[in-house]
Amino acid sequence: GEDVEQSLFLSVREGDSSVINCTYTDSSSTYLYWYKQEPGAGLQLLTYIFSNMDMKQDQRLTVLLNKKDKHLSLRIADTQTGDSAIYFCAETQTGANNLFFGTGTRLTVIP
Amino acid sequence: GAGVSQSPSNKVTEKGKDVELRCDPISGHTALYWYRQRLGQGLEFLIYFQGNSAPDKSGLPSDRFSAERTGESVSTLTIQRTQQEDSAVYLCASSPRGGPRGDEQYFGPGTRLTVT
Repeated sequence: GEDVEQSLFLSVREGDSSVINCTYTDSSSTYLYWYKQEPGAGLQLLTYIFSNMDMKQDQRLTVLLNKKDKHLSLRIADTQTGDSAIYFCAETQTGANNLFFGTGTRLTVIP
Repeated sequence: GAGVSQSPSNKVTEKGKDVELRCDPISGHTALYWYRQRLGQGLEFLIYFQGNSAPDKSGLPSDRFSAERTGESVSTLTIQRTQQEDSAVYLCASSPRGGPRGDEQYFGPGTRLTVT
């Protein structure tokens, strides 16, 4: 498949909102996902959105989906130092058994 | 219950040697995936097992890479004649059923492979 794209780095101050962006490739993707990876740990699923939705909110997390532009974003409200990690978006692609991941965005939260 | 486990957690090997990486999926999970994460990059799919079906090997980067899984249990990823570009974290995931649903994939902590 083609590349799922993310910016590599984001720094925010503690208490501010973080917005992590992703451009995906397959317009027929059914599900789109956000994962968090902390140092030395595997991937933790944070949230996901079904393609017929525009927005999903889950506590401090808000996912926005723009299908026309194939753009996905993750907003973290009131960002905390514990949110420092690498965040990956991922999509399913038609005919594939696996997920396709972006390069990851390293979020650094400054106290 | 126990999650997906992988061993070893770290492996340092010399260029040209063979290595074996092990994944223990969650009990009862029929599907198992191997992914590779190179420094500063996203996860690359390597191979997928689902029950007794033929594995999907479409992501294996070369014939030096192979994987086996016996039934619905342990899987072993083997890399022969390792090269420096094989240095990466190798992640395993298991799922209770087949298909790419990410909300059903549970990832292990990974094996960090360093080829010197």
